[in-house]
Amino acid sequence: IQLTQSPSSLSASVGDRVTITCRASQGIRGYLVWYQQKPGQAPQVLIYPASTLQGGVPSRFSGSGSGTHFTLTISSLQPEDFATYYCQQLNSYPYTFGQGTKLEIK
Amino acid sequence: QVQLVQSGAEVKKPGASVKVSCKASGYIFTNYTLHWVRQAPGQRLEWMGWINAGNENTQFSQKFQGRITLTRDTSANTAYMELSSLTSEDTAVYYCARQVTAPVNGLLLRWFDPWGQGTLVTVSS
Repeated sequence: IQLTQSPSSLSASVGDRVTITCRASQGIRGYLVWYQQKPGQAPQVLIYPASTLQGGVPSRFSGSGSGTHFTLTISSLQPEDFATYYCQQLNSYPYTFGQGTKLEIK
Repeated sequence: QVQLVQSGAEVKKPGASVKVSCKASGYIFTNYTLHWVRQAPGQRLEWMGWINAGNENTQFSQKFQGRITLTRDTSANTAYMELSSLTSEDTAVYYCARQVTAPVNGLLLRWFDPWGQGTLVTVSS
């Protein structure tokens, strides 16, 4: 199953609302997870299938979707949110990841 | 707290093998499945396979079949990933990650949390 994220990169300002999309090449029901990765660090789960916020993750993050179309929204960007975001499907093997969306400061 | 700590960076020659360890703490090791994921420079994350730390069952991505071995040592709460016949394309950061599973609305949902800190494997002649 191929996952395609859009956009691949995004320039935004603190306080902006941003939305990242993840599209699957076939239906994956709700088996979609979002991770945040900062340079030199391992990925950390943000939202697990597909809209439950991980404990400790700020409520400005939200996820939605099912089937083949999923979104991650950050309602008001904070300086610590500038990172790369990945979606992952765990519906069928091999588990796959999107190509990532790099969120940069404008 | 739940933690996965991986072994240090490795430099290998083409054709060699590498073995990376992943030591777990803060939870019952044998109750969970551990996955291995790699990230080559500038590339997306790539899932390699998993090992059930309880019964030692494994599942691999077809891409790595025949080259990857996953094992675990329950006395040391440690999982191992060995990759053989290395080429320059295997240069990557290798991560272990614990699978968390929860039944929700008739689905057995799963995600990876936490991840190890990563181990850089460089393959170069």
